[in-house]
Amino acid sequence: QKEVEQDPGPLSVPEGAIVSLNCTYSNSAFQYFMWYRQYSRKGPELLMYTYSSGNKEDGRFTAQVDKSSKYISLFIRDSQPSDSATYLCAMSEGGFKTIFGAGTRLFVKA
Amino acid sequence: DVKVTQSSRYLVKRTGEKVFLECVQDMDHENMFWYRQDPGLGLRLIYFSYDVKMKEKGDIPEGYSVSREKKERFSLILESASTNQTSMYLCASSPPDSSGDSYEQYFGPGTRLTVT
Repeated sequence: QKEVEQDPGPLSVPEGAIVSLNCTYSNSAFQYFMWYRQYSRKGPELLMYTYSSGNKEDGRFTAQVDKSSKYISLFIRDSQPSDSATYLCAMSEGGFKTIFGAGTRLFVKA
Repeated sequence: DVKVTQSSRYLVKRTGEKVFLECVQDMDHENMFWYRQDPGLGLRLIYFSYDVKMKEKGDIPEGYSVSREKKERFSLILESASTNQTSMYLCASSPPDSSGDSYEQYFGPGTRLTVT
């Protein structure tokens, strides 16, 4: 069993839809939870991070962490074609090592 | 803006060749990382470095070595390239936070290496 599981998609939604992206994990020692966005032929860029449980909002993006269920989510409101990318969840216990999900490909159609 | 650059976007090498991938960051970050990215497997850590001349193995170090002679530069070396090392290679750098954790990573654009 992988430490971090993420549905690869692809996920296709119309412009303006609310998008929900999710990851599950098995390691209860994870403390940092990150979401990266990766456009085609580019490196990943950090979108948001959350320490421990709870919600964090940044513009159209909301990250949620439920440590009791070992489940994290990223919500994108009013999705735009420019949001079309691969979204990677990532987690860390702290220190140097980060475990990445395989990524979910998202297509937002105009 | 943090800038992480990688020496090549695309590289084609033959089996058995020695391959050097270079990474440079301009933000004076202590920590630097090399990952490979394969479909369905996500990013897997090859090596990381937390200081000049300091390195630690990641999850998949076999067949690779690294060099960090200067703080801004971190090199990945494939000693004898094999076809199973065909992949996207991503370099990242990270500042440690006050507790020493480096969860915020800045990535370069990647090098797509093909070994034939």
